[in-house]
Amino acid sequence: GEDVEQSLFLSVREGDSSVINCTYTDSSSTYLYWYKQEPGAGLQLLTYIFSNMDMKQDQRLTVLLNKKDKHLSLRIADTQTGDSAIYFCAEIGRGSTLGRLYFGRGTQLTVWP
Amino acid sequence: NAGVTQTPKFRILKIGQSMTLQCTQDMNHNYMYWYRQDPGMGLKLIYYSVGAGITDKGEVPNGYNVSRSTTEDFPLRLELAAPSQTSVYFCASSDRGGTNEKLFFGSGTQLSVL
Repeated sequence: GEDVEQSLFLSVREGDSSVINCTYTDSSSTYLYWYKQEPGAGLQLLTYIFSNMDMKQDQRLTVLLNKKDKHLSLRIADTQTGDSAIYFCAEIGRGSTLGRLYFGRGTQLTVWP
Repeated sequence: NAGVTQTPKFRILKIGQSMTLQCTQDMNHNYMYWYRQDPGMGLKLIYYSVGAGITDKGEVPNGYNVSRSTTEDFPLRLELAAPSQTSVYFCASSDRGGTNEKLFFGSGTQLSVL
């Protein structure tokens, strides 16, 4: 099955940039996603990228996709304390698992004032 | 602006008890999902449904059952609760499925089995 890997923790100072990394195994993935989970809440879709794109920018968020290395990253510019949360990378299944999302374990981002 | 609503938010069960986790969505989404989230782990798919009357197993279905009699509701049933089912359970829905899966999540049910 699909396998998505992320580092578990990241700490940054307020105002710095954060980069959260993810690797995935299914080279035929069409869409890759970043979800954000705040304490005590469900996951919210933050952004996504289609596999024919290398980069997607949305305000403070930049998603980079390296298909050759199966590496996805999320950069948050000017990180704020409100960005403290768990960030999940996810890829969509193919074939018999089409439509299912496979999630990484999540990266806990802590932003220090 | 309800979205996906889960009840209860918290529950403690004794081993062997049964319960139903409720999930309802008001977005007329065809696709609905149940995930469990264990500490420090990603989400694992328990069951999913592509429409009323249709359900299918995910990665970790053992010990659970679901039904989908209406588009809005997708309850998850635990028949004989076990400590291994202590987890946070999330219900989610999607209007597309297929190639671009934007999921909307409920706020979760924290379940402890003692």
